[in-house]
Amino acid sequence: GDSVTQMEGPVTLSEEAFLTINCTYTATGYPSLFWYVQYPGEGLQLLLKATKADDKGSNKGFEATYRKETTSFHLEKGSVQVSDSAVYFCALSDPGSARQLTFGSGTQLTVLP
Amino acid sequence: EPEVTQTPSHQVTQMGQEVILRCVPISNHLYFYWYRQILGQKVEFLVSFYNNEISEKSEIFDDQFSVERPDGSNFTLKIRSTKLEDSAMYFCASSVTGTSNTEAFFGQGTRLTVV
Repeated sequence: GDSVTQMEGPVTLSEEAFLTINCTYTATGYPSLFWYVQYPGEGLQLLLKATKADDKGSNKGFEATYRKETTSFHLEKGSVQVSDSAVYFCALSDPGSARQLTFGSGTQLTVLP
Repeated sequence: EPEVTQTPSHQVTQMGQEVILRCVPISNHLYFYWYRQILGQKVEFLVSFYNNEISEKSEIFDDQFSVERPDGSNFTLKIRSTKLEDSAMYFCASSVTGTSNTEAFFGQGTRLTVV
């Protein structure tokens, strides 16, 4: 079945540091890939997505590229801010399934001033 | 901006009791979902719902669970006889379509604690 493996957390960085959160997937079909973010006390919000190989999703300075050859969708940001502190979830949606999303385990990011 | 709302934000119930978790999806959305996250674990799919029917359910969604859209706005998850292991954060989500590239919008979640 489908699965998402995400980098273990928590991750603690200083402001303006470079961020990478690794994500790899296994899917039977040709999935769409997503990063969701959960800020403290809030629900899951879509951060970015990519729907086909070599697509790059980007939003708020975050980027992730759909790599079919390595089945990966790593999240990156060149310079993190304190306000980026949150839990980040990698997820996939398989077109052969009605269940919409399979999530990774989430990575807690804390950015220190 | 339209949003998915869930009530209550936190529910404490005794083992064996029935609970109903409520959700109001975004008004023009047609597909509805429930997910749960046990503390420290992954967000897990429970069920998807479209056109007043369950589209797909996971192995977690056994006979103690049911979903309903009782009117034009609410979408509910009922747990008939709660167990300690049902303690989790439950997320409702909705989407305009059911295609794999469509964004799902999530509520803030209901934290269920079974004692």
